[in-house]
Amino acid sequence: DAKTTQPTSMDCAEGRAANLPCNHSTISGNEYVYWYRQIHSQGPQYIIHGLKNNETNEMASLIITEDRKSSTLILPHATLRDTAVYYCIAVKTSYDKVIFGPGTSLSVIP
Amino acid sequence: EAQVTQNPRYLITVTGKKLTVTCSQNMNHEYMSWYRQDPGLGLRQIYYSMNVEVTDKGDVPEGYKVSRKEKRNFPLILESPSPNQTSLYFCASSSGQGYNQPQHFGDGTRLSIL
Repeated sequence: DAKTTQPTSMDCAEGRAANLPCNHSTISGNEYVYWYRQIHSQGPQYIIHGLKNNETNEMASLIITEDRKSSTLILPHATLRDTAVYYCIAVKTSYDKVIFGPGTSLSVIP
Repeated sequence: EAQVTQNPRYLITVTGKKLTVTCSQNMNHEYMSWYRQDPGLGLRQIYYSMNVEVTDKGDVPEGYKVSRKEKRNFPLILESPSPNQTSLYFCASSSGQGYNQPQHFGDGTRLSIL
């Protein structure tokens, strides 16, 4: 599986968009980019995933560059409840184990 | 509500006393997996199951057992727990339908082995 790198931490003002970057320069053609988050020590929560095209759901948007070497998770209107560690991973199939790196610790500030 | 349920959520026990952490999902998922999460080590896979009666080792299976007799349940068994198994444990499940489906995680079980 491709290795991903993310900034260690980020701050975002409440109500503003939070843009979380992820680099995955060694991603292969059949690997999906997934985003999960973990609030405190709760179970990781799935956010969104994509292969090539940009994706949007009720939680977030995922922008994947044309060369697929990086992506950005966008939380359009961050709230205090979005404070969490966000993980970007690359997986091939539904059965791949989830390997989280350190992730990005997002702090949403009032 | 679609969910993965783990029990107990917290447990403090002593070395050598057998324990079982249960995991149940109500989404008819084929794939289930156990992870442990430790500070600085991230999430590590213990065992996984592709379907009923099919299980395989993950990265850190030593000291653990699993079984998958029913599709919805995937218990994690510690036959003789030791202090190095003190950790935060997560169960996850995923559907095999479609090429790629996300994993759904339980709320975690915090085990302390004294």
